[in-house]
Amino acid sequence: GAGVSQSPSNKVTEKGKDVELRCDPISGHTALYWYRQRLGQGLEFLIYFQGNSAPDKSGLPSDRFSAERTGESVSTLTIQRTQQEDSAVYLCASSLIRGVQETQYFGPGTRLLVL
Amino acid sequence: AQSVTQLGSHVSVSEGALVLLRCNYSSSVPPYLFWYVQYPNQGLQLLLKYTSAATLVKGINGFEAEFKKSETSFHLTKPSAHMSDAAEYFCAVSDPGGYQKVTFGTGTKLQVIP
Repeated sequence: GAGVSQSPSNKVTEKGKDVELRCDPISGHTALYWYRQRLGQGLEFLIYFQGNSAPDKSGLPSDRFSAERTGESVSTLTIQRTQQEDSAVYLCASSLIRGVQETQYFGPGTRLLVL
Repeated sequence: AQSVTQLGSHVSVSEGALVLLRCNYSSSVPPYLFWYVQYPNQGLQLLLKYTSAATLVKGINGFEAEFKKSETSFHLTKPSAHMSDAAEYFCAVSDPGGYQKVTFGTGTKLQVIP
């Protein structure tokens, strides 16, 4: 079956522009996560969705970052007025929660470069 | 708050040698622990996970990890390294309660020398 997909795979933008990153989770997965991986650093949790709700937004770095999910499916991560420090790989993952055990399935990521 | 520490951002081993990647965790409750692997130009995939059953967990590609509560460790091992094991490995911890926020370590890049 299809895995988690993300688009675009690469995005180059100018400082100050807005960008939208898309994630299509595995069909039927209720949980969806966004992470950021800066060069040479580990994965940084950004936000988590359970269905269309986001119980935990604590990882969003600033109010320039926002995310939404619709139809318990597609999610969009929006970065407004991008800054050079936003350059990173943005990873999306989804999971099918059964009890409290879960395996997250990751997408290939979107490489964002802010010039 | 939960956290993981991966000792060594880069590890080099000879082909056929033992692979040992270290991970220590910090958690206020008995955690769930994971190892993920990221091959070059590919997405993350789960190697193995510990969810409070057997302390020795076997994963894919011959990897295994042992949960040691007394040492707060979850080191990843493989008896004999293969060239195809060259990748970046991430240890992660999750609080089994609540909504399963997963915290990742900074990763260890494994180089396998022929």
